[in-house]
Amino acid sequence: GAGVSQSPSNKVTEKGKDVELRCDPISGHTALYWYRQSLGQGLEFLIYFQGNSAPDKSGLPSDRFSAERTGGSVSTLTIQRTQQEDSAVYLCASSLAGQGSGEQYFGPGTRLTVT
Amino acid sequence: SQQGEEDPQALSIQEGENATMNCSYKTSINNLQWYRQNSGRGLVHLILIRSNEREKHSGRLRVTLDTSKKSSSLLITASRAADTASYFCATRNTDKLIFGTGTRLQVFP
Repeated sequence: GAGVSQSPSNKVTEKGKDVELRCDPISGHTALYWYRQSLGQGLEFLIYFQGNSAPDKSGLPSDRFSAERTGGSVSTLTIQRTQQEDSAVYLCASSLAGQGSGEQYFGPGTRLTVT
Repeated sequence: SQQGEEDPQALSIQEGENATMNCSYKTSINNLQWYRQNSGRGLVHLILIRSNEREKHSGRLRVTLDTSKKSSSLLITASRAADTASYFCATRNTDKLIFGTGTRLQVFP
């Protein structure tokens, strides 16, 4: 079946512009995660959605970052007034449920470059 | 913040050799997972070990877990050039996975 998809695969934007990154999780996966990975670094947790529960936003680095998940499926990560330090690969993952083993399935990521 | 720390940060070996990567973490866990990442893109799940398990095998992979030392190791036996990638450990406590900093493995043919 189809895996996690993300779009766009690459995004170049000017400093100060807003960007939207999209994630389509695997059908039936109730949990969705966003991570950020700077060059050569590990994954930084950003936000987590589980079913209809309030999202865990504890990893968002500033109020310029926000995310939505509509209808329990597609999610959009929005970065307002982008800064150069926002340049990174943004990874989305989904899993069957928040509980249980928690094996996550990752999308290919969106490489964001802020010039 | 990072929960796990992998070492070494980078490892270079010849094909056929074994590669061992270590992961240390800080808090109690439900399970520990290892992931592989090629070319800075999406991660692929390799193996999961639960907190009440000490060792697990999957093909050429062997994972150990020592909860008293809060550490885990990933052994790749008989390495191949195609094993070249970054490897991350991730610990699960409640709903989230917390990833380590990764080990970059280079396998030379």
